[in-house]
Amino acid sequence: DIQMTQSPSSLSASVGDRVTITCRASQSINSYLNWYQHKPGKAPKLLIYDASNLETGVPSRFSGSGSGTDFTFTITSLQPEDIATYFCQQYDDLPITFGQGTRLEIK
Amino acid sequence: QVQLQESGPGLVKPSQTLSLTCTVSGGSINSGSHYWTWIRQPAGKGLEWIGRIYTSGSANYNPSLKSRVTISVDTSKNQFSLKLSSVNAADTAVYYCARDSSIFGVVIPTYYWGQGTLVTVSS
Repeated sequence: DIQMTQSPSSLSASVGDRVTITCRASQSINSYLNWYQHKPGKAPKLLIYDASNLETGVPSRFSGSGSGTDFTFTITSLQPEDIATYFCQQYDDLPITFGQGTRLEIK
Repeated sequence: QVQLQESGPGLVKPSQTLSLTCTVSGGSINSGSHYWTWIRQPAGKGLEWIGRIYTSGSANYNPSLKSRVTISVDTSKNQFSLKLSSVNAADTAVYYCARDSSIFGVVIPTYYWGQGTLVTVSS
């Protein structure tokens, strides 16, 4: 299985801050990586697909980059509604695997 | 807009079979070619992909669960199902169903998700 190491596991930041989350794959996954936002009691929402493509309707403050084994997810200016858990997902190979998630809180 | 909703018993006894159903609305489960997927998340842990079934009926399972898992589709009810046998406490988790979608030709394997349902394994 491809292991996805996501960090940090939790993060506290202020409104307006730049927030960065990383995911590292145990082997190359090309650009087959997605980023999701998950709020309690709701369905996870796709934000970034194929490592760097912004899903339609997602605010431009969200972005992703990387390829191969190292990936980064960034929120350029944190908003109160961004409080959620964020996780990465690789789909280069089966079984599909996920990062452990980053719980984002407001200071 | 496709919507998915998980349903099933919230409590299952050890050694029994966990059975969950995902009801699809906003489209026919027979429409197009799609992967219908199950994922779970134990409390405090990361997400685990359980497996998927394609519209054609072919299935892929996580090797860690393969001996205990069956995913099937019931087109007459617009549902797909998960059965996990011989459960134990480690199978306690929130279970999600999901479906793929294509964005500009890129197939996203889990684009649509249900809200999840908690299943507890306990006597």
